Order: sequence, then structure tokens, then C-alpha cells
Amino acid sequence: NAGVTQTPKFRVLKTGQSMTLLCAQDMNHEYMYWYRQDPGMGLRLIHYSVGEGTTAKGEVPDGYNVSRLKKQNFLLGLESAAPSQTSVYFCASSVVSYGYTFGSGTRLTVV
Amino acid sequence: DQQVKQNSPSLSVQEGRISILNCDYTNSMFDYFLWYKKYPAEGPTFLISISSIKDKNEDGRFTVFLNKSAKHLSLHIVPSQPGDSAVYFCASNFGNEKLTFGTGTRLTIIP
Repeated sequence: NAGVTQTPKFRVLKTGQSMTLLCAQDMNHEYMYWYRQDPGMGLRLIHYSVGEGTTAKGEVPDGYNVSRLKKQNFLLGLESAAPSQTSVYFCASSVVSYGYTFGSGTRLTVV
Repeated sequence: DQQVKQNSPSLSVQEGRISILNCDYTNSMFDYFLWYKKYPAEGPTFLISISSIKDKNEDGRFTVFLNKSAKHLSLHIVPSQPGDSAVYFCASNFGNEKLTFGTGTRLTIIP
């Protein structure tokens, strides 16, 4: 009964370093999403996927890349981390486009 | 531009009284509006939704009202309980495959 699992839960990066955030869901959902949450900004969509092998840009895609090689996994990559990418990142999955199940988040700090 | 606005960043309500959270939107095309609730260090969880063909939906202590002519919806919680203290986000898919979220309202229930 895991739902949506995000790893890692916390990470500190130095400016310029790279990393990958992993999102895994065990509900056989077609749709998967990556959002970031910043104070006063709400949840903003970074990238999303409507099925295995597909990805699309959201509202704030710059500086991020994604891959959906397997239906259950959605990876978010930061190639060269910047302090502006300090945020809490949430992954979500859904059967249809609005019934989201969220993970518990990854808190990323870039110094 | 599809926007969802929550103009009150915070709201304090005494326990037992009614909490009213508001949301305004700009796009006329949508299938559903949803409310999500978020506790600190957790992912958002679905609370209640309303479809475009309805003007009211009720689930226990929670009622959502939709005024399409004013492009406004509200979430009523009555009676308010200490466990309702959280950040509340309204969101809609606006007829496409992803949710657009508001900036959130932090509700504090005062014992």
C-alpha cells in the first residue's frame, strides 16, 4: 500500500552539482507529474507525463529534465543545480487528469 | 492564461466556528475544481471536488460552493476542528491533462 514514493526525502547540493529525484508509484497510473512548492507561489508544475515514454513541459521547466522509461517511475533531473532550485518537490500520479495522489515530497537545498 | 487565485494567504478561526476559504479563477472551461489539504512535511491530500455542472457539493463537515457567473468557489468547514489547521489549495484541470493550483491559504484553528 505504498502509493507514491519519492526518494530522497532531503538533499543538500552545491551549486553546479547534478542529481536525480526518483518518483515511483504502484497504482498503475498513466499520468505522473512533478511540482515544486515555494513560499507564496503555491504548487507549480515542472514537467508531466501522460504515459510511458512521454513527457511534456509544465509551467516552470527550465533547468530540469525528466524521463518516463517505465510506467511506474518518473525521474526528475537537475543537470547543474542553482540556488533558485531550492524548493520542496512533489511528485503525483493519477488515473485521470485530476485525481492526484501525491508523494511526501523531497526537500532540496542548493548552496 | 489559466489562473487560480487564492487572495487570502492565511485565515484564523475559532474552534467550532465556520471556516470559509475562497478561490477565484479566470478560465471559463473546466471539468472539475478540487480542494487539497496539506500538513507540514507531508504531500497534499485530496479533500473534496465539484464538477462544472454542479453548484454545491457536500461531504460531512466540508461543503464546496461554485458560482460560475462570478468565477468563484468557496470551501466551508463547519464546525472547524483543530485538525483542520493546514494549508488548503484549490485546483482545476481547466479541461486539459494537468492541474493548476492556487497559491494556498493557511488555516489556523484556535482552540
